[in-house]
Amino acid sequence: GIQVEQSPPDLILQEGANSTLRCNFSDSVNNLQWFHQNPWGQLINLFYIPSGTKQNGRLSATTVATERYSLLYISSSQTTDSGVYFCAVDRNAGNMLTFGGGTRLMVKP
Amino acid sequence: GEEVAQTPKHLVRGEGQKAKLYCAPIKGHSYVFWYQQVLKNEFKFLISFQNENVFDETGMPKERFSAKCLPNSPCSLEIQATKLEDSAVYFCASGASTEAFFGQGTRLTVV
Repeated sequence: GIQVEQSPPDLILQEGANSTLRCNFSDSVNNLQWFHQNPWGQLINLFYIPSGTKQNGRLSATTVATERYSLLYISSSQTTDSGVYFCAVDRNAGNMLTFGGGTRLMVKP
Repeated sequence: GEEVAQTPKHLVRGEGQKAKLYCAPIKGHSYVFWYQQVLKNEFKFLISFQNENVFDETGMPKERFSAKCLPNSPCSLEIQATKLEDSAVYFCASGASTEAFFGQGTRLTVV
């Protein structure tokens, strides 16, 4: 099956800092999503981004499908950004998502 | 509805008891998925449906797990004779084609 690797596994930031999270995947994909799992366990959709670049406030994401990676940028981080960020992909519509191992982010005040 | 609704939020069962979890997908979404998150960072796919039909059940431990999505009813995931290792958060997701939207999860604790 498809392999998804995220880096770094853990990240500690001071409030206000910027960061880049990376997701590498082993095969071509039909879907790529970024999620934020907050400290209460909720999975929040951040981006649906099988290719291209999107921005939403302080967050933006870029997927380079031909090179099989995606980047999530967090600018001016806030303590509420803490949690685990997951990248997940699938090969075809309706197929299961394969999740990466996540990046655990802690933003300190 | 506009969000995937999962009930209950928390469920505690003694080992050997049955557990039943429910999921109401977003209206108009034809795909429903169940995932199990055991360790904090690990998601395991269980089963997916396209409308009422099983689409992919390669992740289901079939001897004790079963799932249904019937018309005009919430989807359900049932675990017969729960074991300690079934303790996890169970997420349901729905989608129209590609993008999946997740519910808030049901935390199952088997004691």
